[in-house]
Amino acid sequence: SQQGEEDPQALSIQEGENATMNCSYKTSINNLQWYRQNSGRGLVHLILIRSNEREKHSGRLRVTLDTSKKSSSLLITASRAADTASYFCATGESGGSYIPTFGRGTSLIVHP
Amino acid sequence: ETGVTQTPRHLVMGMTNKKSLKCEQHLGHNAMYWYKQSAKKPLELMFVYNFKEQTENNSVPSRFSPECPNSSHLFLHLHTLQPEDSALYLCASSQEPREETQYFGPGTRLLVL
Repeated sequence: SQQGEEDPQALSIQEGENATMNCSYKTSINNLQWYRQNSGRGLVHLILIRSNEREKHSGRLRVTLDTSKKSSSLLITASRAADTASYFCATGESGGSYIPTFGRGTSLIVHP
Repeated sequence: ETGVTQTPRHLVMGMTNKKSLKCEQHLGHNAMYWYKQSAKKPLELMFVYNFKEQTENNSVPSRFSPECPNSSHLFLHLHTLQPEDSALYLCASSQEPREETQYFGPGTRLLVL
């Protein structure tokens, strides 16, 4: 099964800056989700965007989806030290398994 | 707190030991999952349970044996593991098997010596 690939693998920024992470995938999808994982902990669901949506917001998070380019981006605005975590995209294939397939993640460090 | 708990949080075992990981969800969900997370690798789905019935086994070695006595509890029985089985084992649940969003527990960090 195909999986999303996040880019960059690691990102280091200062508090207050914006952080942008990208996810690329290979096949048609029904939806794409972003999850967050603090070091050594479980994943926490952040946002789900469906294939017929182009942009979604949740607080300081903005997710875009471009199905023609098979890519998505997660923007965290006005980052905080507490945003330090790994961020994963997970794709739900169109006509395939309902179980999301995860990428390797982007490790974000926000320096205070 | 996501409503999914896992015990123990940390486990060290020898290759000849037998141990079990436990997962409990307090969300009234019907589907539960075991994942393995190794360093530098994508999250690997191991098993899926739907209403206590196993619906997927992702080619997992028989030294991992899942058990789902009811829709709120999920176990992963471990025996004769290898050092490469050292990883973070995550349990997750979802309302229905076809529900896209999953709720994860904090994981069990397993070290096999």
